[in-house]
Amino acid sequence: RKEVEQDPGPFNVPEGATVAFNCTYSNSASQSFFWYRQDCRKEPKLLMSVYSSGNEDGRFTAQLNRASQYISLLIRDSKLSDSATYLCVATGTSGTYKYIFGTGTRLKVLA
Amino acid sequence: NAGVTQTPKFRVLKTGQSMTLLCAQDMNHEYMYWYRQDPGMGLRLIHYSVGEGTTAKGEVPDGYNVSRLKKQNFLLGLESAAPSQTSVYFCASSYAAALEAFFGQGTRLTVV
Repeated sequence: RKEVEQDPGPFNVPEGATVAFNCTYSNSASQSFFWYRQDCRKEPKLLMSVYSSGNEDGRFTAQLNRASQYISLLIRDSKLSDSATYLCVATGTSGTYKYIFGTGTRLKVLA
Repeated sequence: NAGVTQTPKFRVLKTGQSMTLLCAQDMNHEYMYWYRQDPGMGLRLIHYSVGEGTTAKGEVPDGYNVSRLKKQNFLLGLESAAPSQTSVYFCASSYAAALEAFFGQGTRLTVV
């Protein structure tokens, strides 16, 4: 089992739709979680950190469920520019200094 | 701010050749990382460093060596390139282990 698992998609949604991605992680001791966005042939860029209480940044909402060991990303009012691959990241346990990446979920927003 | 800068951006090597990839960051970050990204495999950690003069192995270290002689630079070396090392290589840095990492633009390496 992969340490961080994501549905690879692709998710094809119309402009204006709401779309949600889930990601599960296997290490219950993981401390920090992030969502990164990666455009084709580009580097990953931080979209948002994920806090235990949940957090929102404009059209994006991230949530963490430690009991079930998953994090989620909700995108409201999808834009064409949201088309990208979204990477879920969990950090390792204290002392391991690792960022563990999922393989990513592809999103394509259609006009 | 330049952030994290990788050189070169593209390279084609013949099997058996050697090369060094350079990563430089201007954010005074302690932690630096080298990843490779392959289709369907996600980002995999090759080596990392928690400070100047220190290095450690990641998930897929075989065939690579690294050095961190200066805090701002993290070098990745391939001593004898193999076709299996064809990949996109990303360098990243972070201020601390649990904080977000910032990535360089990547190096596309092809070994023929």
